[in-house]
Amino acid sequence: EVQLVESGGGLVQPGGSLRLSCAVSGFTFSNYWMNWVRQAPGKGLVWVSRINSDGTTRKYADSVKGRFTISRDNAKNTLYLQMNSLRADDTAVYYCARIDFWSGSDYWGQGTLVTVSS
Amino acid sequence: QSVLTQPPSVSGTPGQRVTISCSGSSSNIGSNTVNWYQQLPGTAPKLLIYSNSQRPSGVPDRFSGSKSGSSASLAISGLQSEDEADYYCAAWDDSLNGPVFGGGTKSTVL
Repeated sequence: EVQLVESGGGLVQPGGSLRLSCAVSGFTFSNYWMNWVRQAPGKGLVWVSRINSDGTTRKYADSVKGRFTISRDNAKNTLYLQMNSLRADDTAVYYCARIDFWSGSDYWGQGTLVTVSS
Repeated sequence: QSVLTQPPSVSGTPGQRVTISCSGSSSNIGSNTVNWYQQLPGTAPKLLIYSNSQRPSGVPDRFSGSKSGSSASLAISGLQSEDEADYYCAAWDDSLNGPVFGGGTKSTVL
């Protein structure tokens, strides 16, 4: 059974930092690109970042470029998102996801809530 | 503002057929395949349709997808109460070099 389990969310003050983790099981993690997608309260899905299978290629949405860093540890089957200089508009549920448009092997975690507020 | 455009809401009575549209551009839907997701309240998105019209195992055949040019559609036939959810389209975007999503459509069963 495929499982993606996010952790690390919580309440943080503006300007603060947080590190999200996503523990993956049920498929060969080291073979796949992985993504972070967020959803602000009552809003739609927005892609945040993605990383290739060996961690050498990383892409970011303009809204988080320079503030967020995606990384992975294939030995631990874990995906990370380091979030710095957090702003109120970063408040959202953050999902880790293996997004696939071709084979139907598309998996999402349950999400972790990040709240940026003073 | 989402890259892909969906209507905010659709509604229908039980048994009816409803469709949800998704409009994009040549850099996303026009040149790549489309996924559709269903999101029930408080849960993660669940893949409903991939590659424009394919259903993953376990998805009822009441759900169908199609694509034409830079637009796509999701149809729900024989609408049921459990189909009340938010639905999102998604596609790869060549300009962004990442996936893009629609703003979501809330389906209500009257």
